Amino acid sequence: DSGVTQTPKHLITATGQRVTLRCSPRSGDLSVYWYQQSLDQGLQFLIQYYNGEERAKGNILERFSAQQFPDLHSELNLSSLELGDSALYFCASSVASGRKETQYFGPGTRLLVL
Amino acid sequence: AQTVTQSQPEMSVQEAETVTLSCTYDTSESDYYLFWYKQPPSRQMILVIRQEAYKQQNATENRFSVNFQKAAKSFSLKISDSQLGDAAMYFCAYRKPYGGSQGNLIFGKGTKLSVKP
Repeated sequence: DSGVTQTPKHLITATGQRVTLRCSPRSGDLSVYWYQQSLDQGLQFLIQYYNGEERAKGNILERFSAQQFPDLHSELNLSSLELGDSALYFCASSVASGRKETQYFGPGTRLLVL
Repeated sequence: AQTVTQSQPEMSVQEAETVTLSCTYDTSESDYYLFWYKQPPSRQMILVIRQEAYKQQNATENRFSVNFQKAAKSFSLKISDSQLGDAAMYFCAYRKPYGGSQGNLIFGKGTKLSVKP
């Protein structure tokens, strides 16, 4: 158990819908990263938050957004869902202490868009 | 942009034997971190081992060790005394040396390892 929690574990929804994925980082970790794992794209970085502020963006679609709250949990919002958004979404957290930073992954949320 | 390549989509090893998974990467940086993550059927991403590029000594973690060849930009994972529980997808990943805004991981496509009893 990495100490990172993600809810829900599974999500099934329809095209055009909106969903919210939640991540609670390890105690003391200020940085949260979101990654998407799909069959065709592999593991891709989406977005990073550090202590409530957006720090970096990767291959995140405009239909997707995220935020990190004062208690440091983070939510990834996916809207106008398409079939191709079906994937495993991971969040990872780290202390973000510079050189020694190691990211620990949550169990992931498996999203299926029908 | 940095890239990570795992040229072996699938590998197989006999239980108790040794297997080596390959990874190459491309970067213009001289300082960075490299990782191997394991993803078993449960889909959990588990950190196996980490290598700091400025350290010449190869990292080891119990039965897992790496062969880090900086000039060749190669970072292979050796699993000794393979066990059935080692069966999983293995991902090689690269990260710039500093966290904060440059800390995201760049992953290879993965190698699926099967362990035969």
